[in-house]
Amino acid sequence: QLQLRESGPGLVRPSETLSLTCTVSGGPISTSSYYWGWIRQPPGKGLEWIGSVYYSGNSDYNPSLNTRVTISIDTSKNQFYLKLKSLTAADTAAYYCVRQRWFGILKHYFDYWGQGTQVTVSS
Amino acid sequence: VLTQSPGTLSLSPGEGATLSCRASQNVSSSYLAWYQQKPGQAPRLLIYGASNRATGIPERFSGGGSGTDFTLTISRLEPEDFAVYYCQQFGGSPPFTFGQGTHLEIK
Repeated sequence: QLQLRESGPGLVRPSETLSLTCTVSGGPISTSSYYWGWIRQPPGKGLEWIGSVYYSGNSDYNPSLNTRVTISIDTSKNQFYLKLKSLTAADTAAYYCVRQRWFGILKHYFDYWGQGTQVTVSS
Repeated sequence: VLTQSPGTLSLSPGEGATLSCRASQNVSSSYLAWYQQKPGQAPRLLIYGASNRATGIPERFSGGGSGTDFTLTISRLEPEDFAVYYCQQFGGSPPFTFGQGTHLEIK
């Protein structure tokens, strides 16, 4: 059974950079049928796609975050990463790592989710 | 933009529920999905390709629609079905967007 697990700091200061890791177990990350992504959810609010990365390293980002975000991947560790810089209180949210179906006729949905990690931006 | 209605739906176990998701532009049915989220949990994929149940999803959940109007139907509500439901599309900018959610609560 595929599992995704986020790890990283729960509290980050304003203007600093958030670094999160997603560790994938139960299957390889270097698969051609999927991208690997990050989605966030501010407290009491809806879901926002941050971006996704392919095993080759190709990545796509939400234009609203494009200048602040970097998503990378390490296939040897079966991990992928999120870096979000210049944090403000508006970045306080639960951050989820996800697997994104990319190949086939029916695609572009998120079929596996991590349990989420809460990140608070505060001094 | 995806707009879900109603914002809150109050029903009793055993009743049927119909949730709506309306897009501001045509969405390919191949790229429309629904998720269920319970308090304190990550969302769970229910439906992909507008009408295909994900692995392990009970048959009482069904999806339909095309173009700009999509629906999620729950035929007979079980106590565990009371949650928040989100629709999601691919296309446009940003490429992935979610509706604001429908809160299905016990009446």
